[in-house]
Formats: sequence, C-alpha cells, structure tokens
Amino acid sequence: TQLLEQSPQFLSIQEGENLTVYCNSSSVFSSLQWYRQEPGEGPVLLVTVVTGGEVKKLKRLTFQFGDARKDSSLHITAAQPGDTGLYLCAGDTGANSKLTFGKGITLSVRP
Amino acid sequence: NAGVTQTPKFQVLKTGQSMTLQCAQDMNHEYMSWYRQDPGMGLRLIHYSVGAGITDQGEVPNGYNVSRSTTEDFPLRLLSAAPSQTSVYFCASSYHPGTGYGYTFGSGTRLTVV
Repeated sequence: TQLLEQSPQFLSIQEGENLTVYCNSSSVFSSLQWYRQEPGEGPVLLVTVVTGGEVKKLKRLTFQFGDARKDSSLHITAAQPGDTGLYLCAGDTGANSKLTFGKGITLSVRP
Repeated sequence: NAGVTQTPKFQVLKTGQSMTLQCAQDMNHEYMSWYRQDPGMGLRLIHYSVGAGITDQGEVPNGYNVSRSTTEDFPLRLLSAAPSQTSVYFCASSYHPGTGYGYTFGSGTRLTVV
C-alpha cells in the first residue's frame, strides 16, 4: 500500500495570508491529484499533475509536482474564507489505476 | 446534469441487515470506485472496476460486494451490516485515471449501523 502523508493536518489562518501545504510519499506516482471537499459533499477535483517538476496555477492556487514524482505542494496566495475546506491529495500508480488518498489537510481561513 | 448520482443520501440500518448503495454515472466512464471516509482515516478504497464485467478489491473489501453489469451502474452491497461499517460512502468515476484524468465523486451516502 502506497502511503501519502499530508502536512500539516490542520491549519487556521487569517484572511490575506499565504500558505503552503504538502503531500509526500516514498512511492512514485504516474499522476497526483488535489481535491477540495466541503462538509456534506464529495471531493471536487482541483488539479492533476503528471510530469515531474510540473507547476500548475488555478487562480490563487499553485500546485507543484516533485521532480521525482513522489511529492507535491499546494501554495495559496492571499487566502480567502472561501478557501476553507478539506484538501486531499491522491496518487495514482498507473497499475489498475487505483487512487490512494492522503488523510487530508483541514484549512480554516478566518475573515 | 452530468455526474455521479448516489442513493440514498442517508440510511440507518440495524446490525445484520443487508442493503445496496446505488451509484450511477452518465459520463460513459470506464473506471468506477467505492470509497469509505472515516474521521482520521481519510478515504479508503473498498472496491473498484475498470469496465463492465470487471471488478477487483481495494484496501478494505471485507463485508462488501460489488458487480458491474453496465458501464453506468456500480452498486455496493453490504451483506450483513456491522457497526464498524458506519461511515460515509463515496462513489467515483473517471475516464482513465492512469493517464491523469481525475475522478468525479458523488455527494455520498451517510450510513449508520446501530
């Protein structure tokens, strides 16, 4: 079983602050995905990264895939209350395309 | 609206009862999966399917059965419910996750076993 460790587990910040969270593994992934989940809802895909070193931007969110395709980071610039939620990373080894999830990062952005 | 539909949204079962959680998608996705989500445990894979007629076990398959007779439907059966199966269940589908396509999730079924 490939383990994905996400850190920090909980984060509470003030509106306007910047933050970076991490997703790390000892396994190599063919792709890595980030999802955001709000209470009572299913996870919603934010981004998929597939190439080592790849950087993708989604408005104020910047995602990076590690060169060795074992880790990823998510940076949020000028966080807003609407960014509050559970952020999940998930890795796909390509073998049968099973997706392994980390336990998630609970982000709270205070107005 | 295109997407993954799960029914029911909420269910309370007595220990020993059986039931089927329904999942349907209208995006012609080949890949479908069932996950359970528990506090502090994240999302854990129960069963998955790479196409009609093909299913396989995930990380926590005990006590659950699946079948995939059509591309659209992927029901999850609880054979004899136990309190340990109290959880939120999510169904997800994807075009081809191995090539970087993400999963589309349903809104979940919250199951309580008493």
